[in-house]
Amino acid sequence: GAVVSQHPSRVICKSGTSVKIECRSLDFQATTMFWYRQFPKQSLMLMATSNEGSKATYEQGVEKDKFLINHASLTLSTLTVTSAHPEDSSFYICSARRSLAGALTDQETQYFGPGTRLLVL
Amino acid sequence: GESVGLHLPTLSVQEGDSAVIKCTYSDSASNYFPWYKQELGKRPQLIIDIRSNMDKRQGQRVTVLLNKTVKHLSLQIAATQPGDSAVYFCAEIATDSWGKLQFGAGTQVVVTP
Repeated sequence: GAVVSQHPSRVICKSGTSVKIECRSLDFQATTMFWYRQFPKQSLMLMATSNEGSKATYEQGVEKDKFLINHASLTLSTLTVTSAHPEDSSFYICSARRSLAGALTDQETQYFGPGTRLLVL
Repeated sequence: GESVGLHLPTLSVQEGDSAVIKCTYSDSASNYFPWYKQELGKRPQLIIDIRSNMDKRQGQRVTVLLNKTVKHLSLQIAATQPGDSAVYFCAEIATDSWGKLQFGAGTQVVVTP
């Protein structure tokens, strides 16, 4: 199977500090990873697309200087929430894209990490 | 039905009955539509998907229908069980979008014994 891990699973930090979240694909290489944020009782909102070896692409309304993304290897992407504030408290989920070329069709499946619960006090 | 909305609708069904979740999508360039099940505090799990060259796909107790004319999707869960209680999301990937998933608002399904 394809396994994606995230670390930490939950973190509590003080307002104004920075928090780094790691997303790893454990048994496959992922040239593309995605970062989502999910508030309670809401859907997953795509924040950014992380491509190995290049700059991340941010969705409209997501501050790139606040949410720093680094994709330094084919198995690791990191999201750093800088100068965190209580409104940044959320569930952050990453996914890694795996492309499987079939005989007739291409299959693209995203495998999700277990998520990181961030609470900013 | 689901769309990119502001709240989470709830669908209550009795155990053993079918649950039907409807979804609309807006991008006519979308060509891949996965459905995810998410339990509280956990990662989304892919339960079934469909491509734009199909109008129906069946899995184990789940069936997805796609109507491209009106940009509607539906997910039917047959013979529901308490373990089916979760939030269900439709999603779409548009051609040339680098595989970016756009999620619908989600539907909370509650299966009562």
